[in-house]
Amino acid sequence: DTAVSQTPKYLVTQMGNDKSIKCEQNLGHDTMYWYKQDSKKFLKIMFSYNNKELIINETVPNRFSPKSPDKAHLNLHINSLELGDSAVYFCASSQVYTGEKLFFGSGTQLSVL
Amino acid sequence: RKEVEQDPGPFNVPEGATVAFNCTYSNSASQSFFWYRQDCRKEPKLLMSVYSSGNEDGRFTAQLNRASQYISLLIRDSKLSDSATYLCVVSGFQKLVFGTGTRLLVSP
Repeated sequence: DTAVSQTPKYLVTQMGNDKSIKCEQNLGHDTMYWYKQDSKKFLKIMFSYNNKELIINETVPNRFSPKSPDKAHLNLHINSLELGDSAVYFCASSQVYTGEKLFFGSGTQLSVL
Repeated sequence: RKEVEQDPGPFNVPEGATVAFNCTYSNSASQSFFWYRQDCRKEPKLLMSVYSSGNEDGRFTAQLNRASQYISLLIRDSKLSDSATYLCVVSGFQKLVFGTGTRLLVSP
């Protein structure tokens, strides 16, 4: 059983389009995250949710809108995609939001053309 | 200054060698420390937590020096399968902060 699963694995799209990435965890964790890994491999947090409540929004453009329908799901919607959005997006979860170890999904490679 | 800094490498070592990575962090209030491993085109996976007293897991030993604010990872008897990027991770305010990683290449 995959603990943290995200779809799709690959996403190729044109500039200006809107796209979504879905994430689900079956670990019973309270906290979920979105991380972005750019071409230089730097992994940076974007958002975190604890029990469906937004905890962290790391000055991400408001074109990015996370949605957490329940604590097992955290989806990421991106409006008006730009070239600079091309990256690998990782979903992750942890038991609590105070520095507990993370479990990652396998990543979504987003390519904006 | 970056919150977590690592030498990007790559470190090229032969099989059987011992190799050590260091990482420095800027937030003296950090309480949790980890090493993650990331294979090419894969997600990061927890390698080990780092405790104040130091800890060992098989061929891997992690050390924490709070006074100097650095963390180390020692790998003994390197295997080909150890080739990966090793990410130093430190707790910040309600989040974990990742270093950019140190790439290790183990050759036959």
